Amino acid sequence: GDSVTQMEGPVTLSEEAFLTINCTYTATGYPSLFWYVQYPGEGLQLLLKATKADDKGSNKGFEATYRKETTSFHLEKGSVQVSDSAVYFCAHGSSNTGKLIFGQGTTLQVKP
Amino acid sequence: GAVVSQHPSRVICKSGTSVKIECRSLDFQATTMFWYRQFPKKSLMLMATSNEGSKATYEQGVEKDKFLINHASLTLSTLTVTSAHPEDSSFYICSARPQGRYGYTFGSGTRLTVV
Repeated sequence: GDSVTQMEGPVTLSEEAFLTINCTYTATGYPSLFWYVQYPGEGLQLLLKATKADDKGSNKGFEATYRKETTSFHLEKGSVQVSDSAVYFCAHGSSNTGKLIFGQGTTLQVKP
Repeated sequence: GAVVSQHPSRVICKSGTSVKIECRSLDFQATTMFWYRQFPKKSLMLMATSNEGSKATYEQGVEKDKFLINHASLTLSTLTVTSAHPEDSSFYICSARPQGRYGYTFGSGTRLTVV
């Protein structure tokens, strides 16, 4: 069945370090791919998305490229800040059903 | 644009009582809304798909009689947790996808605590 797998956390980095959070998926057809972020005590926010192969989503310095050949959508940021500390969820969505399948979430902790 | 409002944000109720959670699309019409449940330090699990004017579609393992979903208008879906028990304590989140967009907009969530 459809699924999303993320690297386990927590990921602890120093400020200005490079971030990679791995995400792979299994899906029928060609889903859209998303990264959501959940800051402490808050709801989910869309961080970025990609709707077809080779698309690159980007926002707030974060990037992720839709890799169909490796069924991956890894999240990267060149220089993290303390304010980036949050839980990051990778998800894929069916354009037919509208359902989203989420990964288990990866907690990022950025220390000054 | 594309705002989903969820209410209440927090609720504490006694075992055996029922709690209603509202999910409203403020600036768009949503024929379909989704209800998720998030356990502490865990991912979101889709509970059901709410369809305007018809019965909700529940995911496997979700009790239809416990989690009543009503989608009476194009901007409102409600989730009622009936005869709540402590194990129903969780974070419930709704979402909708504005027509013509790829992104899903989420409500801010409702933290339910059953005591």
